[in-house]
Amino acid sequence: KNQVEQSPQSLIILEGKNCTLQCNYTVSPFSNLRWYKQDTGRGPVSLTIMTFSENTKSNGRYTATLDADTKQSSLHITASQLSDSASYICVGPPSGNTPLVFGKGTRLSVIA
Amino acid sequence: IAGITQAPTSQILAAGRRMTLRCTQDMRHNAMYWYRQDLGLGLRLIHYSNTAGTTGKGEVPDGYSVSRANTDDFPLTLASAVPSQTSVYFCASSALAGDDADTQYFGPGTRLTVL
Repeated sequence: KNQVEQSPQSLIILEGKNCTLQCNYTVSPFSNLRWYKQDTGRGPVSLTIMTFSENTKSNGRYTATLDADTKQSSLHITASQLSDSASYICVGPPSGNTPLVFGKGTRLSVIA
Repeated sequence: IAGITQAPTSQILAAGRRMTLRCTQDMRHNAMYWYRQDLGLGLRLIHYSNTAGTTGKGEVPDGYSVSRANTDDFPLTLASAVPSQTSVYFCASSALAGDDADTQYFGPGTRLTVL
């Protein structure tokens, strides 16, 4: 069964600091990996999608990396802001009758 | 309407009652999905539909039913609610082709409490 595991479960950082969230996946065949951001009380929103041929992709202060050999992805947030406080969910491609495989997310809290 | 909407925003329901959660999208997406999200478990797929007139079961379909009479609407029905169905329910939609294929767009969610 395809799985997506994320770490840490939660993280607290000071405003202005950088942080990195990790995602390990066991997905076969691999086609793409996505990161979603979910603000409290809202639905998830797509941040970035990475295909197997991409090593890194940036979206503003968010940079996602992908290592297909080790099956790891990371999401790096630079110069964090209070508005970055959210859950970040790593999402793998379809598995069986599941269109997308969602990780359990990392809860990030940015404090002043 | 812009995007995907859900109703109601929240609901408290007595066990054994029937409840329908509504979901409407205006993006002409072929595929629609229903998830539940519980603390510590992440998003779990309940049912999905790849096109109007067809539906499929996801990871946790028991106790729920769906219908897809047209492209825009995808209601989720709890025939006889039980307390374990207390959760936040998210509807999502996606295109099945094109540059944005498989990117799911989520509604704001419905918080359901079954007592």
